[in-house]
Amino acid sequence: EDKVVQSPLSLVVHEGDTVTLNCSYEVTNFRSLLWYKQEKKAPTFLFMLTSSGIEKKSGRLSSILDKKELFSILNITATQTGDSAVYLCAVEASGTYKYIFGTGTRLKVLA
Amino acid sequence: DTEVTQTPKHLVMGMTNKKSLKCEQHMGHRAMYWYKQKAKKPPELMFVYSYEKLSINESVPSRFSPECPNSSLLNLHLHALQPEDSALYLCASSQEGPTGEQYFGPGTRLTVT
Repeated sequence: EDKVVQSPLSLVVHEGDTVTLNCSYEVTNFRSLLWYKQEKKAPTFLFMLTSSGIEKKSGRLSSILDKKELFSILNITATQTGDSAVYLCAVEASGTYKYIFGTGTRLKVLA
Repeated sequence: DTEVTQTPKHLVMGMTNKKSLKCEQHMGHRAMYWYKQKAKKPPELMFVYSYEKLSINESVPSRFSPECPNSSLLNLHLHALQPEDSALYLCASSQEGPTGEQYFGPGTRLTVT
């Protein structure tokens, strides 16, 4: 059965800290892995990863995929209170538009 | 423009009502999705339309009926819902191929009384 597991489930840090969120997966015919940020509304797209070892970067956020070990990490440097959210990882399996979501990591950044 | 719009934002309905949720995108995406999200849970896939044809139905009860009138619009018709169907209903769309980023609409928060 296809599955996506995120860790940790929740994390509390102070402003300025660096955090690393993990997403591991077991899916049939992996196609892509997506990271989202969800505050009180709909998930906001962050990154899509399809190739191993190529870092995607946007400001203080970066992400990388390891297709051999079947995981991805999302790094946030110099965290701010506005980074507080649930971070979701989703994997597209079987090349048929089916995205499987992990349970998310709830990040809280304290001032 | 990476916008997916959904209406209404909030909906309260009784168990005997019939209502519809609407979703629209103008990004030329050929795949559109309905997800259901309960509090503190990840989105759960319900339906996928690819090129206006239903390609995935994740064993959703028949009281939920999707419709894709054209490549920009996606509806979800609701009838005889149960209180446990109360949730945030999210629409999303994506391109096909290696640039298939998936974008979500703001959601409709549904309460069934």
